[in-house]
Amino acid sequence: DAGITQSPRHKVTETGTPVTLRCHQTENHRYMYWYRQDPGHGLRLIHYSYGVKDTDKGEVSDGYSVSRSKTEDFLLTLESATSSQTSVYFCAIGGQPKNIQYFGAGTRLSVL
Amino acid sequence: SQQGEEDPQALSIQEGENATMNCSYKTSINNLQWYRQNSGRGLVHLILIRSNEREKHSGRLRVTLDTSKKSSSLLITASRAADTASYFCATLDQTGANNLFFGTGTRLTVIP
Repeated sequence: DAGITQSPRHKVTETGTPVTLRCHQTENHRYMYWYRQDPGHGLRLIHYSYGVKDTDKGEVSDGYSVSRSKTEDFLLTLESATSSQTSVYFCAIGGQPKNIQYFGAGTRLSVL
Repeated sequence: SQQGEEDPQALSIQEGENATMNCSYKTSINNLQWYRQNSGRGLVHLILIRSNEREKHSGRLRVTLDTSKKSSSLLITASRAADTASYFCATLDQTGANNLFFGTGTRLTVIP
């Protein structure tokens, strides 16, 4: 999966608990992305980063925050998980200007 | 939402037949990309077509783009069982954010 590692791969948690998902890349890409994938919705962008400490919101950012303290790591945090955040989360890296993206294997999150 | 729509949602064909899937989108674009996703895996980039191109080929893949109708099609010729996967179109819009917007996907099943 193009030098992108997501951890954990699976997680079950309870409503109201904080959750952090990690994306690690070895490709030195400037741009990194977090998506969620749900049936009937395809992939929707949560947040993205265009450099260390440079992040911005995507289409479905409510309830999520991100941080990028190093080029290789992009963290997605659910401050207080809700059942509506049960989903499969994908990290991607991309290049400009064409923005062809390379994806990690995904994290399946269940919030009970 | 800028998300695209794909048609059909699911397609089942016999090995050796051709598979055609369609994508419609809403905004002006810089390029349109097609991705493939095998079950339980991340997306993999297949092919990119720029907004000033009308057709592009890559191996058994043929992509067309009609910007006047805001639509694209992906043709897979001489399908194989290994082509069984979900296929997504993604558009790179012309806004400054330069993000990809993914369609809802077509699930292709190729029967041996």
